[in-house]
Amino acid sequence: EAGVAQSPRYKIIEKRQSVAFWCNPISGHATLYWYQQILGQGPKLLIQFQNNGVVDDSQLPKDRFSAERLKGVDSTLKIQPAKLEDSAVYLCASSLAPGRLETQYFGPGTRLLVL
Amino acid sequence: AQSVTQLDSHVSVSEGTPVLLRCNYSSSYSPSLFWYVQHPNKGLQLLLKYTSAATLVKGINGFEAEFKKSETSFHLTKPSAHMSDAAEYFCVVTPLSGGYNKLIFGAGTRLAVHP
Repeated sequence: EAGVAQSPRYKIIEKRQSVAFWCNPISGHATLYWYQQILGQGPKLLIQFQNNGVVDDSQLPKDRFSAERLKGVDSTLKIQPAKLEDSAVYLCASSLAPGRLETQYFGPGTRLLVL
Repeated sequence: AQSVTQLDSHVSVSEGTPVLLRCNYSSSYSPSLFWYVQHPNKGLQLLLKYTSAATLVKGINGFEAEFKKSETSFHLTKPSAHMSDAAEYFCVVTPLSGGYNKLIFGAGTRLAVHP
């Protein structure tokens, strides 16, 4: 079974530039998550989708971050404009359903460096 | 609010010796708790999860964890460390918030295994 795919794996940009990350979840998984992992910290949930609807975006900095999952399958996360503090690994995860005990499967992440 | 505290940021053991990674949780109700492992340049992988069915939970690769309500702890153990166990380990709690699967990660413990 193919896992969660993410691209690109690495990205270096200058502050105030824009960047987008792509995620393709495991086939059939209705729930998709984006996490931000700053160096030395645990991942923090940015946004959660159930199919193509947002169920939790309480920790998404909406002035600069946006995400979509238009067809309920793959998803993109965008940062515009980027700040130095956005340097982090952006992890995508998916689960079959949104229940508390559903296992989340993580992709390898996109490592972003903002200069 | 629910949270987890990983008591050690770094743990170093010799190959073949026991592993103990400590985690305390804070929750006003019986939580769901997990341990995830992150190898370099790889996605997070679920090691084990506690769902109130049994206090001693067995996971993959010989790891296990014991839920102790009186001590609010969920420590991860393994009888004999292997070189391949070197990685970052995260203790995770899921809050009871509308049934959605929001993971709250600890800061992580980096495990080093020496020959």
